[in-house]
Amino acid sequence: SQQGEEDPQALSIQEGENATMNCSYKTSINNLQWYRQNSGRGLVHLILIRSNEREKHSGRLRVTLDTSKKSSSLLITASRAADTASYFCATTIGGANSKLTFGKGITLSVRP
Amino acid sequence: GAVVSQHPSWVICKSGTSVKIECRSLDFQATTMFWYRQFPKQSLMLMATSNEGSKATYEQGVEKDKFLINHASLTLSTLTVTSAHPEDSSFYICSARSVIAGGHEQFFGPGTRLTVL
Repeated sequence: SQQGEEDPQALSIQEGENATMNCSYKTSINNLQWYRQNSGRGLVHLILIRSNEREKHSGRLRVTLDTSKKSSSLLITASRAADTASYFCATTIGGANSKLTFGKGITLSVRP
Repeated sequence: GAVVSQHPSWVICKSGTSVKIECRSLDFQATTMFWYRQFPKQSLMLMATSNEGSKATYEQGVEKDKFLINHASLTLSTLTVTSAHPEDSSFYICSARSVIAGGHEQFFGPGTRLTVL
């Protein structure tokens, strides 16, 4: 079963606007990661946030993690048409044999 | 950065044939490799986890006799879809992880699109 649930399922914004995507999960995690997938392509790792971290930045990306609410958000600032893609959150549970569990994904469309 | 390749990138085959997909870690040794399947507009579903030199661990509902996984070396894992049928048509993605360097990050391949006629 899927651990992460993103919302909204689809998001359409104008270029230059900010995009906020949320992910909720059910059980305690080691870390949470966000990935991007362009249509028909592989996954691109965006950012990893550990369970003891609350916020991380990478370029135009900002990720927050609230372990008390079991939720994370991904903010893309000053969006570009090239940001159009599907975005997935994935959680890791467990130790050396941990595996990623993906959410259903969010389809982001950035209109030029 | 760590690079994972998959071959072929796409394949079309007739129903009943077997198809082998290769996953290679190009610049690191992958102690563990993962195989995922993704249907159109859906998320990635983990099929199996393979550790080098041992049998793969399959997720519930995945037929191990249909999806044969071999992880014979630290840089190569193969997934063979045996007697493929149209319902096996999907996007298959592998990922590789190395804990030798102390990391737990997974690096994903570009995926293989399988179409069974």
